[in-house]
Amino acid sequence: ETGVTQTPRHLVMGMTNKKSLKCEQHLGHNAMYWYKQSAKKPLELMFVYSLEERVENNSVPSRFSPECPNSSHLFLHLHTLQPEDSALYLCASSRVWESYNEQFFGPGTRLTVL
Amino acid sequence: QQQVKQSPQSLIVQKGGISIINCAYENTAFDYFPWYQQFPGKGPALLIAIRPDVSEKKEGRFTISFNKSAKQFSLHIMDSQPGDSATYFCAASMTGANNLFFGTGTRLTVIP
Repeated sequence: ETGVTQTPRHLVMGMTNKKSLKCEQHLGHNAMYWYKQSAKKPLELMFVYSLEERVENNSVPSRFSPECPNSSHLFLHLHTLQPEDSALYLCASSRVWESYNEQFFGPGTRLTVL
Repeated sequence: QQQVKQSPQSLIVQKGGISIINCAYENTAFDYFPWYQQFPGKGPALLIAIRPDVSEKKEGRFTISFNKSAKQFSLHIMDSQPGDSATYFCAASMTGANNLFFGTGTRLTVIP
């Protein structure tokens, strides 16, 4: 295991539901990321938190709302999603100020929006 | 615009053969080029990485070849094994940046 855990592993939700994805890292890292992985597309960076501060938001729709209460935990709050939001959502972490951006990924949450 | 282009999309190799996956980039500011391996049901895991001050890096059966002038880099898997069957992603980043720009992935199947 990489030291990054994600729950739940699978989630099915309706378009009107509200749910949250959780990520926890046990590596002592201080940067955390949300990625979206869809078939035949590059991993899409959604959000970056560095030292618990959001430093990047790659034009992600407001129906996705991240939260980083501390350097070990990251949440992605979901509401009124669309079927095209169905994908694998990956969390990653890394250490800030490293000379290279080595990111450690969790196993992902497979999200299906009906 | 896709920052890193990867090919082929899928690859089938006989056991014991050489698997080669290619990536190209445009941004000359990139200075870190990792390869990630992803098995079904798992997140990507760092396999091997290179910086542009060297042209080749080898770790066991895995080798990265880097051509700075052509802005290309490739992953070679020698003596490919069925256990190497996975999806491989190349990526690129620059020092101090948060982003890792990923290729679209190559699904490798090694047949016994």
